[in-house]
Amino acid sequence: DARVTQTPRDKVTEMGQEVTMRCQPILGHNTVFWYRQTMMQGLELLAYFRNRAPLDDSGMPKDRFSAEMPDATLATLKIQPSEPRDSAVYFCASGASGEGTQYFGPGTRLLVL
Amino acid sequence: QKEVEQDPGPLSVPEGAIVSLNCTYSNSAFQYFMWYRQYSRKGPELLMYTYSSGNKEDGRFTAQVDKSSKYISLFIRDSQPSDSATYLCVMSESNYQLIWGAGTKLIIKP
Repeated sequence: DARVTQTPRDKVTEMGQEVTMRCQPILGHNTVFWYRQTMMQGLELLAYFRNRAPLDDSGMPKDRFSAEMPDATLATLKIQPSEPRDSAVYFCASGASGEGTQYFGPGTRLLVL
Repeated sequence: QKEVEQDPGPLSVPEGAIVSLNCTYSNSAFQYFMWYRQYSRKGPELLMYTYSSGNKEDGRFTAQVDKSSKYISLFIRDSQPSDSATYLCVMSESNYQLIWGAGTKLIIKP
């Protein structure tokens, strides 16, 4: 049963600390997406990778957020320094290029105090 | 005005009822239309996927797209308590830039 995995599932940290979230896309998928979900804003696209190359990160605050794909089986989203307004659920999704469907992981619930 | 408008609900109906969920949009270039379902503390999961106009049926679920009216619908027949979730309409011009509705919270009362 192929699925997207994300770690950690929950993270509580203090303002100013670095936060790293990890995602393992479905094997064979070459597109990876990072989303943030809040009650106020809904789902927001932060970054999009195809074949490990970043194609769109216009939704991501560049001063504190960074996204990378060190290899095809790992995507990371880093926040440094974290702020209370970053508190949200962060989802990773993967898909096959040319298809419109995206498969979501369970999310990382982040709380910045 | 948002590109995609969706009533956040909640929408509460009795078990067995037919449920109608709707979204309107403003971008006539959208050609991919999807419905995702999201249970509490879970990631969204694809429910229905439609390209261009028309209807698509899958079990108890029917998706309709009316491009002339810029209106899409999801119908759920014989609704079950397990259908209680948030339903998100999603649209796209391309295959990756998805535009998400706010989601409608659906509650099916036993």
